[in-house]
Amino acid sequence: EVQLVESGGGLVQPGGSLRLSCAASGFMFNDWHMDWVRQAPGKGLEWVSYISSRSEAIYYADSVKGRFSVSRDNAKNSLYLQMNSLRDEDTAVYYCARDSGLGYSIDYWGQGTLVTVSS
Amino acid sequence: QSALTQPPSASGSPGQSVTISCTGTSSDVGGYNYVSWYQQHPGKAPKLMIYDVSRRPSGVPDRFSGSKSGNTASLTVSGLQAEDEADYYCNSYAGSRLVFGGGTKLTVL
Repeated sequence: EVQLVESGGGLVQPGGSLRLSCAASGFMFNDWHMDWVRQAPGKGLEWVSYISSRSEAIYYADSVKGRFSVSRDNAKNSLYLQMNSLRDEDTAVYYCARDSGLGYSIDYWGQGTLVTVSS
Repeated sequence: QSALTQPPSASGSPGQSVTISCTGTSSDVGGYNYVSWYQQHPGKAPKLMIYDVSRRPSGVPDRFSGSKSGNTASLTVSGLQAEDEADYYCNSYAGSRLVFGGGTKLTVL
């Protein structure tokens, strides 16, 4: 069974940093591209970042470019999102998600981890 | 990076059909056949319902169908059932990035 378990969320002050982790299991992690998607409270989904299976290709939404950094450790079946210079508008549930390999769609999502940026 | 435009709400009675639109530009929806649709129930993670404009993943009922014309994609839910009540999001590849729609709350009357 495919499982994606995020951790690392919490309360942080504006300007602060946080590192999210995602532990993957139930599939060959190093064969799959991965994404981070976020959802502000009561709002819609927003794609944040993409990383290819061997980290050759990395992309970011304009809203986080230069502040967030995605990485992965295939030996540890883990995906990471380093978030710096956090702003109030970064407050959201952050989902770790697996690219389905079917077009550019996502077939598995974690349960999400809440990041709250507030003073 | 503007979000794709979806109506905030849609509704229909059980057994009826409802169509949700998703309007983008030639840089996203109109430029690629990589539109997907997701269903999200309250407090749950999204679920993939349609990919590549009109393809259904295994396990998704054939009551769900997708199409595209120009810069607008559509999701049609036929034979509405109570469990179809949820938020629906469209998503498109836009060249090195993905863009989501603002979401549509589907109510089954």
